[in-house]
Amino acid sequence: SYVVTQPPSVSVAPGQTARITCGGNNIESKAVHWYQQRPGQAPVLVIYYDGDRPSGIPERFSGSNSGNTATLTISRVEAGDEADYYCQVWDSTNAHYVFAAGTKVTVL
Amino acid sequence: QVYLVESGGGLVKPGGSLRLSCAASGFDFSDSYMNWIRQAPGKGLEWISHINTIGITKYYADSVKGRFTISRDNAKRTVYLQMNSLRVDDTAVYYCAREGEVRQFDFWGQGTLVTVSS
Repeated sequence: SYVVTQPPSVSVAPGQTARITCGGNNIESKAVHWYQQRPGQAPVLVIYYDGDRPSGIPERFSGSNSGNTATLTISRVEAGDEADYYCQVWDSTNAHYVFAAGTKVTVL
Repeated sequence: QVYLVESGGGLVKPGGSLRLSCAASGFDFSDSYMNWIRQAPGKGLEWISHINTIGITKYYADSVKGRFTISRDNAKRTVYLQMNSLRVDDTAVYYCAREGEVRQFDFWGQGTLVTVSS
């Protein structure tokens, strides 16, 4: 089955830029979606279809997808961005939805 | 405003059964694909089941195939997850989520906790 991988953790200072990668074989051929999950809360969709933002998500969140890597970029990081972030794709070969293991973003 | 409210979680012994419900409001439920996703304590997200608008097409993760059954009642705006032969490793918070047009999960409920323990 299709596998997507993320780094376990990313640390960033307030006001700086955080980049979280999501790796997979030829992932650029798939639509990649990103979720933010704050402690004790349900996940929230922050980016869909590689780089589109749902209504209400700040422009500081952006996404890209090329080759074997998709990237979620958080600009001008704030304390409230501290959370777990997950990428997700649709594996059409196996008719499964696949999540990566997630990345914990720590704001220093 | 979209609302998804899960219910039915609780403590169950290994080998037991439980049925989860997810009541939807604020969107065209009968025109929406729905999914169940779970999260074991301290772990990541795991998709477990999908159902299409009329309940004909259903997908399951390998970890639950043959034990769990997804269904829906469009008149009641509710999606269900029947869980049989429960195992300790099924312990998790179970979320229902609406699926968007490009296979994303655009709205989530707050989850219901299922604990499988003797």
